Amino acid sequence: AQSVTQLGSHVSVSEGALVLLRCNYSSSVPPYLFWYVQYPNQGLQLLLKYTTGATLVKGINGFEAEFKKSETSFHLTKPSAHMSDAAEYFCAVSDDLRGGKLIFGQGTELSVKP
Amino acid sequence: DTAVSQTPKYLVTQMGNDKSIKCEQNLGHDTMYWYKQDSKKFLKIMFSYNNKELIINETVPNRFSPKSPDKAHLNLHINSLELGDSAVYFCASSQNTGGGTQYFGPGTRLLVL
Repeated sequence: AQSVTQLGSHVSVSEGALVLLRCNYSSSVPPYLFWYVQYPNQGLQLLLKYTTGATLVKGINGFEAEFKKSETSFHLTKPSAHMSDAAEYFCAVSDDLRGGKLIFGQGTELSVKP
Repeated sequence: DTAVSQTPKYLVTQMGNDKSIKCEQNLGHDTMYWYKQDSKKFLKIMFSYNNKELIINETVPNRFSPKSPDKAHLNLHINSLELGDSAVYFCASSQNTGGGTQYFGPGTRLLVL
């Protein structure tokens, strides 16, 4: 069975500081990995995804993530946090066997202090 | 032009009532989904349709019945609403399953009193 664990339900950083949101997954087949962002009272927006190929994936708004198979991780980073990055972030996994359903982590709320 | 739209945005109703949520996508995608987000913001798949055919049904109570009149629409009907049904319901669509990006609607906030 697939699962996703996001370490830290809440992360707080100062504006300009590095953002690191951790995600570990479990999958018995090659996974597809996603990071979504949810702003208050809105739907989810895709930040980036890994399907195949290059393991370092660049997304929107300066975010990137690296797929590390040996560590079963897909951590999200951004070199310099901006106030507008404050939101809920979800890591998710899917594969070719389960009809495309996304299995989500529990989410990490990112706060950015001025 | 909204890619995935849902109506209504807010829904407040009494226990025992029946309600429907509508979803439409104008992306030309073949696959549509319903997810439920609970009060702790945990997201869980409920249903998925591919070209109007049900492909995922995640042990959801049979009070919930999805209907897909065409591949651009996936509606969710809920019978005999219970307090525990209070949540945010998100519709999503993707061109294909597996690694295809899912595009989410704005959500429908359901409150059962």
